[in-house]
Amino acid sequence: DTGVSQDPRHKITKRGQNVTFRCDPISEHNRLYWYRQTLGQGPEFLTYFQNEAQLEKSRLLSDRFSAERPKGSFSTLEIQRTEQGDSAMYLCASSQVGASEDEQYFGPGTRLTVT
Amino acid sequence: DQQVKQNSPSLSVQEGRISILNCDYTNSMFDYFLWYKKYPAEGPTFLISISSIKDKNEDGRFTVFLNKSAKHLSLHIVPSQPGDSAVYFCAASGYGGSQGNLIFGKGTKLSVKP
Repeated sequence: DTGVSQDPRHKITKRGQNVTFRCDPISEHNRLYWYRQTLGQGPEFLTYFQNEAQLEKSRLLSDRFSAERPKGSFSTLEIQRTEQGDSAMYLCASSQVGASEDEQYFGPGTRLTVT
Repeated sequence: DQQVKQNSPSLSVQEGRISILNCDYTNSMFDYFLWYKKYPAEGPTFLISISSIKDKNEDGRFTVFLNKSAKHLSLHIVPSQPGDSAVYFCAASGYGGSQGNLIFGKGTKLSVKP
């Protein structure tokens, strides 16, 4: 396993369109996280899953955002009716519950540009 | 209100010297701290961590120090190498990780000059 992968790496969309991103975690990791990073800021937590259960959502995750992890493996993050303020890097991370569960391993991110 | 603060946006160090990156936090419930390194166009890479029951953790050239009374931690890189040039993020978690999310600082851009 080569690590966390994300697809696509870049997405340009027009305001009002819907976009969906995919994340494939490290195979033995049962926790999966989504973060957003804007210029000059650190990553900001959006939501996380333990297996298929979504356990926590940030107040940053408006009702236009939805995340799923249907079989406890890969996850998707959908943004409906995109706005220019949604332009950011969307990062996915995974970890394993138990020893060192706080050590989250990040993917390369999906850079979203909303025009 | 920022719970994890990295007050130096940038740091420049000569190759071979020590780099010291600082981080302050405000939430006394944080019990695990991590440092990540980020190159442009890549995701953050885990570097080193420390539990609140320790005051020092070392891994090769990287050492993290934790001062709980001051709510301060630092990352020491000795000796610094040009390949260490990156943005370094300090992160914290609480409740033994059961809350899930990490709280990140804004990062410090380290430049190591040959």
